[in-house]
Amino acid sequence: ILNVEQSPQSLHVQEGDSTNFTCSFPSSNFYALHWYRWETAKSPEALFVMTLNGDEKKKGRISATLNTKEGYSYLYIKGSQPEDSATYLCAFSSTGNQFYFGTGTSLTVIP
Amino acid sequence: DAGITQSPRHKVTETGTPVTLRCHQTENHRYMYWYRQDPGHGLRLIHYSYGVKDTDKGEVSDGYSVSRSKTEDFLLTLESATSSQTSVYFCAIQRGGGPYNEQFFGPGTRLTVL
Repeated sequence: ILNVEQSPQSLHVQEGDSTNFTCSFPSSNFYALHWYRWETAKSPEALFVMTLNGDEKKKGRISATLNTKEGYSYLYIKGSQPEDSATYLCAFSSTGNQFYFGTGTSLTVIP
Repeated sequence: DAGITQSPRHKVTETGTPVTLRCHQTENHRYMYWYRQDPGHGLRLIHYSYGVKDTDKGEVSDGYSVSRSKTEDFLLTLESATSSQTSVYFCAIQRGGGPYNEQFFGPGTRLTVL
């Protein structure tokens, strides 16, 4: 069992604020780090797959960075909107087909 | 939309009864997964399958069994349900397997064991 930690556990921001949160994972046997967005009453949806140290991915106002040597990834949201309210999950994958999910960061954007 | 359905979507059962949850996909992918989601634990892998009749255990497999007799269906069985198995269960498929391909999730089944 691998330990994947996310912080903070929850976050409330005002509309228009930028925010970021962290995913920490084992730095050994790293293959990929996945970010998912999970809206209430829906299923998790994939945002990014990151594989190389120094990777940066961007989708609209959401971006992510990866540091495999120290075992962390940051997710950034620029100019948060109420529709960004969701839980953001990261998942670490090593050899094989198992994903190890963190417990998520719950983001609430206040209009 | 990855064409994943789960049935039932909600179920209430009593301790000691057997329960089977079904995951159905329409895209014929080899890799399918069952997770449970509990407060404070995120998603935890129960079992997964990499083909018909090929399955393996995840980190929380005790008390669960699975079967895959057809590519499109992956069944999760609780042989004798316990209250600790009250949870939301998610099925996922993966296009191609391995650590690099994202997983796509079904809508979830909420199971309550009284």
